[in-house]
Amino acid sequence: GAGVSQSPRYKVAKRGQDVALRCDPISGHVSLFWYQQALGQGPEFLTYFQNEAQLDKSGLPSDRFFAERPEGSVSTLKIQRTQQEDSAVYLCASSLGYSNQPQHFGDGTRLSIL
Amino acid sequence: GESVGLHLPTLSVQEGDNSIINCAYSNSASDYFIWYKQESGKGPQFIIDIRSNMDKRQGQRVTVLLNKTVKHLSLQIAATQPGDSAVYFCAERSREGGGADGLTFGKGTHLIIQP
Repeated sequence: GAGVSQSPRYKVAKRGQDVALRCDPISGHVSLFWYQQALGQGPEFLTYFQNEAQLDKSGLPSDRFFAERPEGSVSTLKIQRTQQEDSAVYLCASSLGYSNQPQHFGDGTRLSIL
Repeated sequence: GESVGLHLPTLSVQEGDNSIINCAYSNSASDYFIWYKQESGKGPQFIIDIRSNMDKRQGQRVTVLLNKTVKHLSLQIAATQPGDSAVYFCAERSREGGGADGLTFGKGTHLIIQP
């Protein structure tokens, strides 16, 4: 079956522009996560949804970052007024949502801010 | 906050040998651990997981060991193959304080398989 799908795979934006990154989770997965991965580092948690409810956004680095999942399936991570330090790979993961179920990751969106 | 760390950033092994990747964690409230494999340009790929009420779990060619006394996690890969070359991350989840299911990752170990 299809895995987690993210688009675009690559995004280049000028500093100050807004960007939107999309995640299509595995069908039937209740939980959805966003992570940020800097070069040479492990992923860092940004935010978590259970269905359409955003239960944790403690990892979002600033109020320029906003995530939504209005129908409990596809999710969008939006970054407003991008800055160079936002350059990273943004990973989306989904899981069944039951206790102790592994998160399955997409291949990410590599964001470069010029 | 507390985070997962790895002892060795790079590990080089001969093809066919066994490899062991180690990970130390500091959050005693963590109850679930996962090993991921990440190849260049791809997302982390699930390898194996283990709950805190277990000390060993085996998969196909992989074994994860959990020692809660010393807060240590290891991944053993048997008979390594060229396709095992990748960066390996351990990750932990803590629901301390009713927190989220977000994982905390270490920095990763780069496993290199020598022909």
